[in-house]
Amino acid sequence: AQSVSQHNHHVILSEAASLELGCNYSYGGTVNLFWYVQYPGQHLQLLLKYFSGDPLVKGIKGFEAEFIKSKFSFNLRKPSVQWSDTAEYFCAVKLTAGNNRKLIWGLGTSLAVNP
Amino acid sequence: DAMVIQNPRYQVTQFGKPVTLSCSQTLNHNVMYWYQQKSSQAPKLLFHYYDKDFNNEADTPDNFQSRRPNTSFCFLDIRSPGLGDAAMYLCATSRDGLAGGGYNEQFFGPGTRLTVL
Repeated sequence: AQSVSQHNHHVILSEAASLELGCNYSYGGTVNLFWYVQYPGQHLQLLLKYFSGDPLVKGIKGFEAEFIKSKFSFNLRKPSVQWSDTAEYFCAVKLTAGNNRKLIWGLGTSLAVNP
Repeated sequence: DAMVIQNPRYQVTQFGKPVTLSCSQTLNHNVMYWYQQKSSQAPKLLFHYYDKDFNNEADTPDNFQSRRPNTSFCFLDIRSPGLGDAAMYLCATSRDGLAGGGYNEQFFGPGTRLTVL
């Protein structure tokens, strides 16, 4: 069965540190890739997405992610985190084959940024 | 602004007492989803509507039902809530093509937090 793995369940950083959250998926076909963020007490918001083209995508709030097809990975990065980046981050994958409309979600990574 | 709205934001019910959660959208999206999310977990898809077509997940309990009377509204009915049904319930929408492909980025509402006493 297809799955999405997020390598780090909890990450603690100090402000200005660099961030990289890993995401790998298991599916050999074409996929759409997403990173969602859930700030404390708020709803899920899309950070960035990849459908095709340049594998390096830029999202909101200084986040970017790189799709590496050979590694089935879509890691999220930010060069310098802020306290306001404290949130839960979810990687999600949509299989583009057939009538599939569902997202396959990773378990999430809880990021805490200390001021 | 176009958005996904959920009401109520907080719902308290008693064990076994039916409850209905509502979702409306101004995005004119053809697909609407209901998720259950428990603390520090990923959202779990319960079912979705593609236009009027209802698509249930295999592991969604019969206790959970849904209605979509029109494009804009979708309801989640929990017929006999148990303590294990206490969770955040998320509604999401997307625009999807007939083949299920396309850019089905999902837009989420703020959720309804359900407490079962």
